[in-house]
Amino acid sequence: TQLLEQSPQFLSIQEGENLTVYCNSSSVFSSLQWYRQEPGEGPVLLVTVVTGGEVKKLKRLTFQFGDARKDSSLHITAAQPGDTGLYLCAGGEANAGNNRKLIWGLGTSLAVNP
Amino acid sequence: NAGVTQTPKFQVLKTGQSMTLQCAQDMNHNSMYWYRQDPGMGLRLIYYSASEGTTDKGEVPNGYNVSRLNKREFSLRLESAAPSQTSVYFCASSIAGLPPPWSYNSPLHFGNGTRLTVT
Repeated sequence: TQLLEQSPQFLSIQEGENLTVYCNSSSVFSSLQWYRQEPGEGPVLLVTVVTGGEVKKLKRLTFQFGDARKDSSLHITAAQPGDTGLYLCAGGEANAGNNRKLIWGLGTSLAVNP
Repeated sequence: NAGVTQTPKFQVLKTGQSMTLQCAQDMNHNSMYWYRQDPGMGLRLIYYSASEGTTDKGEVPNGYNVSRLNKREFSLRLESAAPSQTSVYFCASSIAGLPPPWSYNSPLHFGNGTRLTVT
């Protein structure tokens, strides 16, 4: 069974600090998606990484897919209170066809204090 | 754009009662999904529908039934609610589906959830 482990589980930091959260597996994924979920809402896609070693930037957020496509990281520079939320990673199995084989991590709950 | 709309937002049921959770998307997506989210368990797929007229079980289908009424709507029914079904339920949709060649990288678009308590 493929598993995705996210770390840390919880993170509380001050505004302006940098942070990195991790999404690790022993299995290879064809792609990896990162979502952010705010309280009372559904997850919202941030980015999809597909190629091993790929780096994508979304303003202050930098996403990296490991060379072997088994792990990914999310780095936030100068965190702001608006970054508060649950960050979820989801790995796609090859040939899944319609995302039914998405494997979800349990998430990193981030609190950015003003 | 409304995106994915779920109703109701909150529901309290007694053990043994039945109810249907409604979901509709206005993005002309092919696939629709029902997930439940529980502390320490993450998001778990209950059922999905890769195209209008087809439905398939996910990892936790017991106690649930679904109907893909048309391309827009996908409902989830609890026939006899149990306390173990207390959860937050999310409907999602994606452009990926049948027939190919839609990419498996297609993102999921989620509704805002239904918070269900079974007492």
